[in-house]
Amino acid sequence: ILNVEQSPQSLHVQEGDSTNFTCSFPSSNFYALHWYRWETAKSPEALFVMTLNGDEKKKGRISATLNTKEGYSYLYIKGSQPEDSATYLCAYDTGRRALTFGSGTRLQVQP
Amino acid sequence: DVKVTQSSRYLVKRTGEKVFLECVQDMDHENMFWYRQDPGLGLRLIYFSYDVKMKEKGDIPEGYSVSREKKERFSLILESASTNQTSMYLCASSPVVSSSTDTQYFGPGTRLTVL
Repeated sequence: ILNVEQSPQSLHVQEGDSTNFTCSFPSSNFYALHWYRWETAKSPEALFVMTLNGDEKKKGRISATLNTKEGYSYLYIKGSQPEDSATYLCAYDTGRRALTFGSGTRLQVQP
Repeated sequence: DVKVTQSSRYLVKRTGEKVFLECVQDMDHENMFWYRQDPGLGLRLIYFSYDVKMKEKGDIPEGYSVSREKKERFSLILESASTNQTSMYLCASSPVVSSSTDTQYFGPGTRLTVL
């Protein structure tokens, strides 16, 4: 079983704060790294798919970076809003259809 | 919009019962997946299927079986439910796109309680 770790496990921030969290994954057999956002009572939805070392992706106030050589990805949220409250999951992809997910970072943004 | 639906949002069953969890996707995706999610453990893959009648074990297949008779439908079966199968079950599907990575699209989940 592949080891994909996310930290911190949970995070409480104030509205307007910027925050970031980490996903660590094996650097061997790397094909892609996925980020998902999972809001309470909803389905997880894809944020980014990253494939190349040094990749940076951005969607609004959320961005992500990728380092495949050392096996980590960072997700950044600039100026957090209450609607950003969710669990953020990363998933390691070896190109064999199935993904290995981390346990997630639960973000709570206080108004 | 891709839609993945699951037959129930909440389900309560008794130990020893046979339980069927159904998942249907409407985008003609080849791949379908069943995960369970438990606190602190993230999503763990139970089984997946890459074609009709084809299946592969994931990381935690014990106590489960699956059925894929039609492309759009993937069923998870608990032959004899046990209390340690109380969990949130998520279904997902993805296309096979040769030039891109395969984003998975998730259903809303079924929260199963086994008493």
